[in-house]
Amino acid sequence: EAGVAQSPRYKIIEKRQSVAFWCNPISGHATLYWYQQILGQGPKLLIQFQNNGVVDDSQLPKDRFSAERLKGVDSTLKIQPAKLEDSAVYLCASSWGDRGHTEAFFGQGTRLTVV
Amino acid sequence: SQQGEEDPQALSIQEGENATMNCSYKTSINNLQWYRQNSGRGLVHLILIRSNEREKHSGRLRVTLDTSKKSSSLLITASRAADTASYFCATDASDDKIIFGKGTRLHILP
Repeated sequence: EAGVAQSPRYKIIEKRQSVAFWCNPISGHATLYWYQQILGQGPKLLIQFQNNGVVDDSQLPKDRFSAERLKGVDSTLKIQPAKLEDSAVYLCASSWGDRGHTEAFFGQGTRLTVV
Repeated sequence: SQQGEEDPQALSIQEGENATMNCSYKTSINNLQWYRQNSGRGLVHLILIRSNEREKHSGRLRVTLDTSKKSSSLLITASRAADTASYFCATDASDDKIIFGKGTRLHILP
């Protein structure tokens, strides 16, 4: 089966600019996650969707970050305006959402550099 | 906030030796998972152990879970150069919310 697709793979922007990332999860996966991974650290959960509803966005900086999952399939994550500390790899993952028995499948990530 | 805490932060061993990594967590869980991340790549799921299981095997991997101590260990036997990577434990406490630790960087020496 096809894996989780993310684009772009790399992005360089200046601070205060905006940027958007796209994710296409594995077909049929109900749960979609966006993680931020700063170099040398573990992935930090930003937002979790179940179908097209938000399950958890407690760690999403809502003053600058937004995310949506249209029709419960593809998702976009936007940053506006970007700050230097947003430089990180943004990982999208999906899972069946079979509560308590699920593993997450990850995309290759988008490496964002804010200069 | 990160739920899991791996130990050690970094580990270097000779090829052929066994590698053991530990993970401690704070709250009750539905399951605990281990992932591998090669440099510059996405994470790959290795193994999932449920809260009512104590030990699980997959090839050269052996995972244990002690819910009374809120800890888990990952053992990689007969290590290979290709095992060089970062290893993360992740906990699923509720609603399939998967929270990662900071990871252990494993380096296999030739």
